[in-house]
Amino acid sequence: DTEVTQTPKHLVMGMTNKKSLKCEQHMGHRAMYWYKQKAKKPPELMFVYSYEKLSINESVPSRFSPECPNSSLLNLHLHALQPEDSALYLCASSPGQNSPLHFGNGTRLTVT
Amino acid sequence: QKEVEQDPGPLSVPEGAIVSLNCTYSNSAFQYFMWYRQYSRKGPELLMYTYSSGNKEDGRFTAQVDKSSKYISLFIRDSQPSDSATYLCAMNTKSGGSYIPTFGRGTSLIVHP
Repeated sequence: DTEVTQTPKHLVMGMTNKKSLKCEQHMGHRAMYWYKQKAKKPPELMFVYSYEKLSINESVPSRFSPECPNSSLLNLHLHALQPEDSALYLCASSPGQNSPLHFGNGTRLTVT
Repeated sequence: QKEVEQDPGPLSVPEGAIVSLNCTYSNSAFQYFMWYRQYSRKGPELLMYTYSSGNKEDGRFTAQVDKSSKYISLFIRDSQPSDSATYLCAMNTKSGGSYIPTFGRGTSLIVHP
């Protein structure tokens, strides 16, 4: 088990649904990340939060909306997704930005 | 040319072999180097990280960084079937006021009994 917990582990949603992915860490890390990973590809950075403020948005479509309610929690709100958005969504945290990342086991998302 | 190059493999070795996994990079601004192991259907697990050139050892694993050649390696001694996974290198660079981790595409390793 990792110290970064992601829920749910699996999610199937239709293109008109609204759902949220959740991520929690209690290591006192101040940077949190969302990544998207397709099969046999490296993780692709989506968003970075530093001290609960959004510091990086890698030109992600607005159908993905991140939220950082406090230093331990990170959400990713999903709305009107496309089938090509099906992927493994990974959350990570680090003590600071120039530090190694610690990943959760991801949410496997299928958009039908 | 991609900023981080990593041979995807697969690399197949017998149990007990010494494994060498490598990444090259083009951006001399990269300054923090990490290796991750990822099992199927799991998140990447941090194995080792280092900031400077030279070797760093942890059990059966040795990470090596050569900044002058822009080349990093991960060596696994006495490889085990449980080491079968995808190994990702990653490195940080500063962009604006933030650090961006960049990943290699990963090398698939198969250790057969």
